[in-house]
Amino acid sequence: GDSVTQMEGPVTLSEEAFLTINCTYTATGYPSLFWYVQYPGEGLQLLLKATKADDKGSNKGFEATYRKETTSFHLEKGSVQVSDSAVYFCAPSGTYKYIFGTGTRLKVLA
Amino acid sequence: GAGVSQSPRYKVAKRGQDVALRCDPISGHVSLFWYQQALGQGPEFLTYFQNEAQLDKSGLPSDRFFAERPEGSVSTLKIQRTQQEDSAVYLCASSLVPAEETQYFGPGTRLLVL
Repeated sequence: GDSVTQMEGPVTLSEEAFLTINCTYTATGYPSLFWYVQYPGEGLQLLLKATKADDKGSNKGFEATYRKETTSFHLEKGSVQVSDSAVYFCAPSGTYKYIFGTGTRLKVLA
Repeated sequence: GAGVSQSPRYKVAKRGQDVALRCDPISGHVSLFWYQQALGQGPEFLTYFQNEAQLDKSGLPSDRFFAERPEGSVSTLKIQRTQQEDSAVYLCASSLVPAEETQYFGPGTRLLVL
């Protein structure tokens, strides 16, 4: 069945450091790909998405490119802030339901 | 407009009790989803409604779990005879149209079964 593998956390970075969170998936067909973020005490929020190969999703300085050849959708940000501390979830969606990874906790230190 | 709302936000139940969790989707959203998120894990799909029709309930873990959306808007997830392994956060999400893949999540209901 469909599945997703995310980089294990927690990831601890200093403010202004470069961030990469790896995500690879297995799915039938060509799913849309999503990154969601969960801030402490809050619900899941859509961060960015890409719907076809080579698409780049971007939002709030975060970017991820849909790589069909490597079935990956790695999340990157050039300079993280303390306010980016949260749990990040990668999720392919083949039809209507998401397959979530286990999440990667990011902690950014001032 | 308002986002997805869920109630209660927290629920403590004794083992064996029945619980009912409510979800109010974004007004006009056709699709509604329930997910279960265990501690330290990603959400797992439970069930999907398109309007009042429950099109997929493959993720419901047992026949103690039951979901309904009788008028195509508000949905209720009911868990009968709760067990400790039911302790989790239950997330509701909605999307505008069936083919719309972006889901909007509520804050969740944290259920603790003692």
